[in-house]
Amino acid sequence: GESVGLHLPTLSVQEGDNSIINCAYSNSASDYFIWYKQESGKGPQFIIDIRSNMDKRQGQRVTVLLNKTVKHLSLQIAATQPGDSAVYFCAETENSGYSTLTFGKGTMLLVSP
Amino acid sequence: DAGVIQSPRHEVTEMGQEVTLRCKPISGHNSLFWYRQTMMRGLELLIYFNNNVPIDDSGMPEDRFSAKMPNASFSTLKIQPSEPRDSAVYFCASSWGAGGYTFGSGTRLTVV
Repeated sequence: GESVGLHLPTLSVQEGDNSIINCAYSNSASDYFIWYKQESGKGPQFIIDIRSNMDKRQGQRVTVLLNKTVKHLSLQIAATQPGDSAVYFCAETENSGYSTLTFGKGTMLLVSP
Repeated sequence: DAGVIQSPRHEVTEMGQEVTLRCKPISGHNSLFWYRQTMMRGLELLIYFNNNVPIDDSGMPEDRFSAKMPNASFSTLKIQPSEPRDSAVYFCASSWGAGGYTFGSGTRLTVV
């Protein structure tokens, strides 16, 4: 989920489990959404995106689900690996991506071997 | 492509000093963004340029911050004078058209 204070929400999973990271976005006019992964000491890295005319989009081991009714976005990671440990951010924007991105506070994913 | 290149990676400076952060966007990208990341506020957009022109600088904290983009391959973010509360990681990102941004590795700024 989203952080509203100093502490990032943390999801701890075992290697091989499936992970689900959630995001509640705020702008009902947002029509393009992106998930980013940020590893320690690095910049955010694009994972997967979805436009508002879709409910689901799949990539390699990742799936993004969009529920516009409740303004909720989720990222599912299948067969989570230690290398997936990072902070994950959702980002939203309007105008099909031509407006600037607004980032959520992030969720930390910790994967134990 | 080498990606978005930022320098320096780390900067430690004394309060009151001028700090200049540098960014080289991906060649061909027409938009450039400066973000600041802190634990308290997360990723905040400071300013963005489109075709080298500043479009929105409403996120710039105060007059101590300024940004320039003299050409399509270079941008700077300057803080003068710097203060301890400016300590953060500053990211530059670039993009082309609609879609996701490519971020640099960031500059970790510490003002003591």
